[in-house]
Amino acid sequence: DAGVTQSPTHLIKTRGQQVTLRCSPKSGHDTVSWYQQALGQGPQFIFQYYEEEERQRGNFPDRFSGHQFPNYSSELNVNALLLGDSALYLCASSLVFYEQYFGPGTRLTVT
Amino acid sequence: DQQVKQNSPSLSVQEGRISILNCDYTNSMFDYFLWYKKYPAEGPTFLISISSIKDKNEDGRFTVFLNKSAKHLSLHIVPSQPGDSAVYFCAAHGSGNTGKLIFGQGTTLQVKP
Repeated sequence: DAGVTQSPTHLIKTRGQQVTLRCSPKSGHDTVSWYQQALGQGPQFIFQYYEEEERQRGNFPDRFSGHQFPNYSSELNVNALLLGDSALYLCASSLVFYEQYFGPGTRLTVT
Repeated sequence: DQQVKQNSPSLSVQEGRISILNCDYTNSMFDYFLWYKKYPAEGPTFLISISSIKDKNEDGRFTVFLNKSAKHLSLHIVPSQPGDSAVYFCAAHGSGNTGKLIFGQGTTLQVKP
């Protein structure tokens, strides 16, 4: 049984560019959450998708947007990249809302 | 404001001994608490959770204790093994939410052989 998968593993972008990160949830899970983890910090909640709708959102600007597809996979889009967006982006899937299983993450570097 | 705090950035213990990782929180409306373990270049791995209506939950070598009056939880690992060396995060879920987890900053555990 495959766990949560994310692509790409690493990404380097330039300030002002746009990026799309992808996530496939664990088999049987219908909810996907995205987190940003800065170096030396714990993950911070960006938003959560359920039934193809954004159900809850953390304290992130509108430059961060997402999408969930009918097969429950999800994308995270970040527009107008800033240097401060450099971080590890984690996707988590869940069936029980609080018990979330994380993917390996995408390391985004903005130069 | 930091609603979930792990005040010890690091902890070192000898193999076979007990590891105790601590976490404090400020919001009395949290209804679930979780512990995750994270190795470098991997995502956090779910370890154990506890509901706010309980004060203890065990799973093998891992036990989580919850002291609601003190707004404090701890993770006990007995016996500690070198493979337990990782960063440990506590996380809390607020009642009325649908899955937003609030994480502490993490504690790096080193288990020495």
